[in-house]
Formats: sequence, structure tokens, C-alpha cells
Amino acid sequence: DTEVTQTPKHLVMGMTNKKSLKCEQHMGHRAMYWYKQKAKKPPELMFVYSYEKLSINESVPSRFSPECPNSSLLNLHLHALQPEDSALYLCASSQALGGTAPYEQYFGPGTRLTVT
Amino acid sequence: LAKTTQPISMDSYEGQEVNITCSHNNIATNDYITWYQQFPSQGPRFIIQGYKTKVTNEVASLFIPADRKSSTLSLPRVSLSDTAVYYCLVGAGNTGFQKLVFGTGTRLLVSP
Repeated sequence: DTEVTQTPKHLVMGMTNKKSLKCEQHMGHRAMYWYKQKAKKPPELMFVYSYEKLSINESVPSRFSPECPNSSLLNLHLHALQPEDSALYLCASSQALGGTAPYEQYFGPGTRLTVT
Repeated sequence: LAKTTQPISMDSYEGQEVNITCSHNNIATNDYITWYQQFPSQGPRFIIQGYKTKVTNEVASLFIPADRKSSTLSLPRVSLSDTAVYYCLVGAGNTGFQKLVFGTGTRLLVSP
């Protein structure tokens, strides 16, 4: 199974709402990632987890709060978002961090988020 | 992290070979070159990775000259389903962490 699943596929939320995005993989990968992608732009890295610990936070606003409850799950908690946060949120996983060559990242289909 | 430069877009026809070149003048000794493909409303998908010379797999070839300041992704006999955005990424795995920095990518349009 080389699949990364993300739920929900689509999410519409108001600026005062609290919602969560979920990501799951069962490949035994120990690194997981959140990316944000605006329309017709490349994905931008937000967070990296390695062995359930946060390794990288790319100066993401605190209204985005990641959580890695176990090695298979990755959540992104959303609170008080702005309309400009509307984007495709992609989750990815890889075997690990480090190694001589970068490990292949497996991406999920993404959650299309609209903030109203 | 090495900056990459790719053509913004390319057009091709079914059955043709497509070569997409990526420039990475400040590539570091430990950096690898990796290509991802992305279809609309989907996550990127790994295509191929290499360090030097030539790498080939079942879907593409990657040509890297000796100075490694550029690389070329070659897609043999493209089909309509190869219409996508192709990203070239340069980076190392052994820096203690792995960051994928996507450049602007190349939008490939394959026509009948």
C-alpha cells in the first residue's frame, strides 16, 4: 500500500471556525509533511515531522497547528483562518529524513480549503 | 538550497519525445536532482532522481552533465495523459532534514 489518504477532500470554513485536516499513511514511513499550494503555484513546505516530533516549522502562522499523534497519522488544526489561507493542503510522507539521497515523498490528493 | 530554473511551459504532440531542462548553477556536492509530476488537483508524484550521468526508469530518463549545473528530464513518446506540471528539485538527504523546495515548474501540454 503506497497510498497517503487525506480527509476531507473539500472544506469550507468561516474565519471564526475551528477545523482539522487529517492525513494517514500505512507505509511505515517515519517522516510526514504538510504543504500549502495556491492555484497555479508550486507547493510550499509548512511543517515536517520526523518520528512524531516536529523537525521543521517554516515560520507558519500560529493559526495553523500541526499534530502527529502516532507514526501513521498527521493532523493540521485550523483556527481563525483568513481568506488568503484558502488553498490546497497537501500531506506527504517519506521513509525517513536524512540519508545520502533525498527519500521519495509520497503525496496525498490534498484537501481543498476555502475560508469565507 | 540550490535555486532551479525551468521553462514555464512546453507544448508537444502525442508520440513525440519531450526534453525538459532544469538549470541549477549553484548545486552543492551532496545535492541530488529529483523530478516530480503533478496533475491538476492532485499531489505531486515522484518521477526520477539522479546524481550524475544518466538514470533511466520505466517512465523517464534523467541526463546530468559532468558539471551538474543543469539536468534534462526526457519523456519518451508522450501521450495526452502526460499533460501535467513537472518540477525539478535539487537538494541533499543527509543534511539532517529533508526539505523539498519546489520551483515554478514546467507546464507540459500534450496535444493529439
